[in-house]
Amino acid sequence: NAGVMQNPRHLVRRRGQEARLRCSPMKGHSHVYWYRQLPEEGLKFMVYLQKENIIDESGMPKERFSAEFPKEGPSILRIQQVVRGDSAAYFCASYRDRGTEAFFGQGTRLTVV
Amino acid sequence: QQQVKQSPQSLIVQKGGISIINCAYENTAFDYFPWYQQFPGKGPALLIAIRPDVSEKKEGRFTISFNKSAKQFSLHIMDSQPGDSATYFCAASAMDSNYQLIWGAGTKLIIKP
Repeated sequence: NAGVMQNPRHLVRRRGQEARLRCSPMKGHSHVYWYRQLPEEGLKFMVYLQKENIIDESGMPKERFSAEFPKEGPSILRIQQVVRGDSAAYFCASYRDRGTEAFFGQGTRLTVV
Repeated sequence: QQQVKQSPQSLIVQKGGISIINCAYENTAFDYFPWYQQFPGKGPALLIAIRPDVSEKKEGRFTISFNKSAKQFSLHIMDSQPGDSATYFCAASAMDSNYQLIWGAGTKLIIKP
């Protein structure tokens, strides 16, 4: 798991601010999934990206949320104008190929105050 | 149809006992069934996974039993140890859903010394 790097580990934002969450997949992995976890719940799929492409964003709210995975650099999950309900742990998982094992990062715990 | 139902929500087992967690699913397109272990403040870590062409898979003290006709699968932890105390999640994915993981709600396992 140490191979998938997420930062920051903890992020506090005031309502209305922007949150940027970063995920560097494991070396050689070109598939990234973002998941959200509320306390005492399982993870919920948000978005699936490959380098420079959004493959499936069916789990991501249409407004205020966006994701990218550029050719160079980490994948970014961006939440604009955060609200208290956005408070959660956000995890990214990377895969070498589709259908292979998912490796998770340590997560970013977002708190909106 | 995309749900994965997990039970029990919490489980207390004596050290040395067998811990059993159950999951049920509806979507017959699911073709990959992993179990994840999560410690507080950490990301999920893959414990063991199974595909529907086998009915059982064992790795050390961990065994998955899979019943395709009943659409159920379970995790058995033999000789449970205090270090196994964690939250366990079952999940399922399908090729036609881009392998996004659909998660159970989790089972909080406590092993009493």
